[in-house]
Amino acid sequence: SQQGEEDPQALSIQEGENATMNCSYKTSINNLQWYRQNSGRGLVHLILIRSNEREKHSGRLRVTLDTSKKSSSLLITASRAADTASYFCATDVLGFQKLVFGTGTRLLVSP
Amino acid sequence: DTAVSQTPKYLVTQMGNDKSIKCEQNLGHDTMYWYKQDSKKFLKIMFSYNNKELIINETVPNRFSPKSPDKAHLNLHINSLELGDSAVYFCASSQAWAGGYEQYFGPGTRLTVT
Repeated sequence: SQQGEEDPQALSIQEGENATMNCSYKTSINNLQWYRQNSGRGLVHLILIRSNEREKHSGRLRVTLDTSKKSSSLLITASRAADTASYFCATDVLGFQKLVFGTGTRLLVSP
Repeated sequence: DTAVSQTPKYLVTQMGNDKSIKCEQNLGHDTMYWYKQDSKKFLKIMFSYNNKELIINETVPNRFSPKSPDKAHLNLHINSLELGDSAVYFCASSQAWAGGYEQYFGPGTRLTVT
């Protein structure tokens, strides 16, 4: 399976703490994207990092990519209750015309 | 304005029935997709269309037939529904082919087959 795997599967933190989610994948990629899904809603794009980039920031989000280890991480700093959601990585796999989504991390941020 | 809309939001039906889900995007995007998300939240692509042409058909049973009347619409028709078809179906669109572009997702259609 090309599907990426994320860990942890679930993460529970307090408001103000940082949350780190990891994504590992199996094949070479063009780029990797992160999405957020609130309960009962569609996915929302957060950030895209290309294979030749190592780190990218967007507001409180920081994404890293290590193509040698085939892994990426998403860091959410100073988390808020509104960050409670599932987070998915999605890889644009070389040679395939599709995004392959990871298994997701469920993040719970308690006030 | 809703960027990607789907109807209906909920669909409850019996095995053997035929049903359709409609999707529309007002973003002017060239590419549209159907995804299936199962009960474990695994999200898997089913079909993608670029400018009304099918470019991905991801080993989906031929009971599922997508139709794109124009590049703003991508509908999904399902024949002879089975229990295993119960899932949330998401429509999405992107400016062009997925890889280098973010995808915009609709709110999902929760299909329950009894």
